[in-house]
Amino acid sequence: DTAVSQTPKYLVTQMGNDKSIKCEQNLGHDTMYWYKQDSKKFLKIMFSYNNKELIINETVPNRFSPKSPDKAHLNLHINSLELGDSAVYFCASSRLRGLYEQYFGPGTRLTVT
Amino acid sequence: SQQGEEDPQALSIQEGENATMNCSYKTSINNLQWYRQNSGRGLVHLILIRSNEREKHSGRLRVTLDTSKKSSSLLITASRAADTASYFCATDASVGGAQKLVFGQGTRLTINP
Repeated sequence: DTAVSQTPKYLVTQMGNDKSIKCEQNLGHDTMYWYKQDSKKFLKIMFSYNNKELIINETVPNRFSPKSPDKAHLNLHINSLELGDSAVYFCASSRLRGLYEQYFGPGTRLTVT
Repeated sequence: SQQGEEDPQALSIQEGENATMNCSYKTSINNLQWYRQNSGRGLVHLILIRSNEREKHSGRLRVTLDTSKKSSSLLITASRAADTASYFCATDASVGGAQKLVFGQGTRLTINP
């Protein structure tokens, strides 16, 4: 029944490793997003996909690569993890791109040691 | 730079009292949204108010929007312990033809029993 789900919920890894976070929504939405929330709770958009097409890429290092196999899934792969990547990553979806409310997943807390 | 900024950053009140949080933003908007985030959880959409609306209600929530002052307020009446959370305002912004939400850093609300 979960509308937007993410796995894993927690991720602890060492610098230099590569990791992926998966997101799925069962709301039938066309648009999905990745956000990063830092330790000060500042939430910033990273990417947005509409019907599997990348529409927003917010000057994110190219170590981050989103992939949308279909409009219900948006995964985030991170290469060569750095200490500064430690944060909570949220996936979200909305009915149409733009001016509608967004539904957020529970978040993935990434800790890089 | 951030579009929305909440004020105060933290607010602590007694159960039953009203809580008011303010949000200021910098550029013109199509709509403004308020979200709640409980500790360790994803954001939950509360209210969306369009730029041509001045006030909107939802249960114990009342949102006002003053586009001339570029500000909005969220009032929670008769607060309950369960209202303890962080509250974020979000405004829309254009990115190369796509729309994104820009979040403030939130107001941390604590309701004391």
